Amino acid sequence: AQSVSQHNHHVILSEAASLELGCNYSYGGTVNLFWYVQYPGQHLQLLLKYFSGDPLVKGIKGFEAEFIKSKFSFNLRKPSVQWSDTAEYFCAVTSNTNAGKSTFGDGTTLTVKP
Amino acid sequence: DAGVIQSPRHEVTEMGQEVTLRCKPISGHDYLFWYRQTMMRGLELLIYFNNNVPIDDSGMPEDRFSAKMPNASFSTLKIQPSEPRDSAVYFCASSFSTGNKLGGANVLTFGAGSRLTVL
Repeated sequence: AQSVSQHNHHVILSEAASLELGCNYSYGGTVNLFWYVQYPGQHLQLLLKYFSGDPLVKGIKGFEAEFIKSKFSFNLRKPSVQWSDTAEYFCAVTSNTNAGKSTFGDGTTLTVKP
Repeated sequence: DAGVIQSPRHEVTEMGQEVTLRCKPISGHDYLFWYRQTMMRGLELLIYFNNNVPIDDSGMPEDRFSAKMPNASFSTLKIQPSEPRDSAVYFCASSFSTGNKLGGANVLTFGAGSRLTVL
């Protein structure tokens, strides 16, 4: 069964600091990878996705993620965070043998101090 | 499109009562998912449908939970009888697939959620 692990449960940063959130998945086949964001009191929204091609994908609000197949990783990065980035971030994966089902990580809560 | 529409947004009920949560997916989406989110357990997939047919209900906690999708534009999640431990935010999400290709598929659009409190 596919699984997703997010290493950091809670990250606290000051504004303008750089961000990297780890995500590893366990599945050897073809995968699609996603990062979703949930702002306080809101529903999950797509931040960025990787299907194929350039392993470095750009998302909204200056976020990017890099797919490293050899490491089964899809880490999320942002060079300079803002207070408005305070949210919970979820990594998710779908596979070519379970195309309808997204498996989510446990989420990482990011708190950005002004 | 108005997005995924869920109702009610908030529900407060007493233990033992029946609760019905409703979801209208995005038109044209052929997958529908029900998730539950709590502080303790995070985001859990309860059940999902493809073309109105339940595909995987292994996440449904127990027989008190049931879900239906009578047509492509409507789904319900029912809890009967409800218990305090069912208190959570229940999210509905939908997505579309492009045949056998994963490209363009499986980006989930979530509804605003239904916050359930069982006293």
